[in-house]
Amino acid sequence: LAKTTQPISMDSYEGQEVNITCSHNNIATNDYITWYQQFPSQGPRFIIQGYKTKVTNEVASLFIPADRKSSTLSLPRVSLSDTAVYYCLVEGGSARQLTFGSGTQLTVLP
Amino acid sequence: NAGVTQTPKFQVLKTGQSMTLQCAQDMNHNSMYWYRQDPGMGLRLIYYSASEGTTDKGEVPNGYNVSRLNKREFSLRLESAAPSQTSVYFCASSEIRATNQPQHFGDGTRLSIL
Repeated sequence: LAKTTQPISMDSYEGQEVNITCSHNNIATNDYITWYQQFPSQGPRFIIQGYKTKVTNEVASLFIPADRKSSTLSLPRVSLSDTAVYYCLVEGGSARQLTFGSGTQLTVLP
Repeated sequence: NAGVTQTPKFQVLKTGQSMTLQCAQDMNHNSMYWYRQDPGMGLRLIYYSASEGTTDKGEVPNGYNVSRLNKREFSLRLESAAPSQTSVYFCASSEIRATNQPQHFGDGTRLSIL
């Protein structure tokens, strides 16, 4: 079972870069690492996905070391609207194991 | 562009009552999922359907049944509701059932069982 571990909460200020790390020691060979964002009273929303090294899109970057046992979501220059819960998802080789961890509550302060 | 639509948005049931939660997607996705999210916790998979005509159990299937009615619709049924099933239920879909396929979520059904 590919369990993920993330910090429970993080605080940041507007304009700063935020890095959220997820540990997934039992990641399977064919697993991708996917990050989601969730606002209150909404469903999770896909942010970024990667398999190895670095992936960048218009909202975030994802860094994955060679051993793939962790990953880091990087949010450049956060704003108040980035306050949300962030989940990393690693499936662990079976759809039955699609369980999101408790996520990281990011609070962006003015 | 609706994406994933869940109905109802809110529901209160009494213990022992039955109910069906509805989910429909308009993205022509093959795979659909039902999750539950308890306060302060992440999402746990109840059931999923990799493709039309198939369903499989997730991590927490007890007390639930599902029906993949067609490619668009995937319903979740509580036959005899229990207070432990009070939760927010999310439906999701993906193009195919694969680890590199992002899921698209609805906004949830908030279910309280008294």
